[in-house]
Amino acid sequence: DSGVTQTPKHLITATGQRVTLRCSPRSGDLSVYWYQQSLDQGLQFLIQYYNGEERAKGNILERFSAQQFPDLHSELNLSSLELGDSALYFCASSVEQMNTEAFFGQGTRLTVV
Amino acid sequence: SQQGEEDPQALSIQEGENATMNCSYKTSINNLQWYRQNSGRGLVHLILIRSNEREKHSGRLRVTLDTSKKSSSLLITASRAADTASYFCALTGGFKTIFGAGTRLFVKA
Repeated sequence: DSGVTQTPKHLITATGQRVTLRCSPRSGDLSVYWYQQSLDQGLQFLIQYYNGEERAKGNILERFSAQQFPDLHSELNLSSLELGDSALYFCASSVEQMNTEAFFGQGTRLTVV
Repeated sequence: SQQGEEDPQALSIQEGENATMNCSYKTSINNLQWYRQNSGRGLVHLILIRSNEREKHSGRLRVTLDTSKKSSSLLITASRAADTASYFCALTGGFKTIFGAGTRLFVKA
């Protein structure tokens, strides 16, 4: 158990809908990362937060947004969902904001139908 | 692109043999990490090697880093069936940690 909790584990929704994925980092970790993993794209970095502030942005679509709350949990919001958004979404956390190992949650499997 | 490229994409070996996976990259990095992922599950951190280090060991794992060639290798010695997984190198430069596409290792019992 990495100590990172992601909910829900599975999510099935229709195209055009909006969903929210939640991540609770390990106790004491200030950094939260979001990644998308699909079969044909590998593991894609989406966004990183550190202590509530956005630190880095990757290939995150405009339809997606994220935030980190004062209690350090994070949410990834996906809107206007398309079939191609079906993927595993991972959250990871680390103590520092760079150059350190990250601990991954078990992921949320999103299926858009 | 900062993304690492793993080689080979897939590797099948017999239990007891050594497995070597390589990662090449193009930009400068602060450190390089290796992660393991069992099918459909979260990634597990294996080892981190800093840009000023050349070699690191952890149990049956040996990682080398050659910054002049911009490459790293992960060696798993005396492999076991339980080592069957995907292995990813991850490059850290600044705030981002970018993962490669991974090497799928299959260890036959």
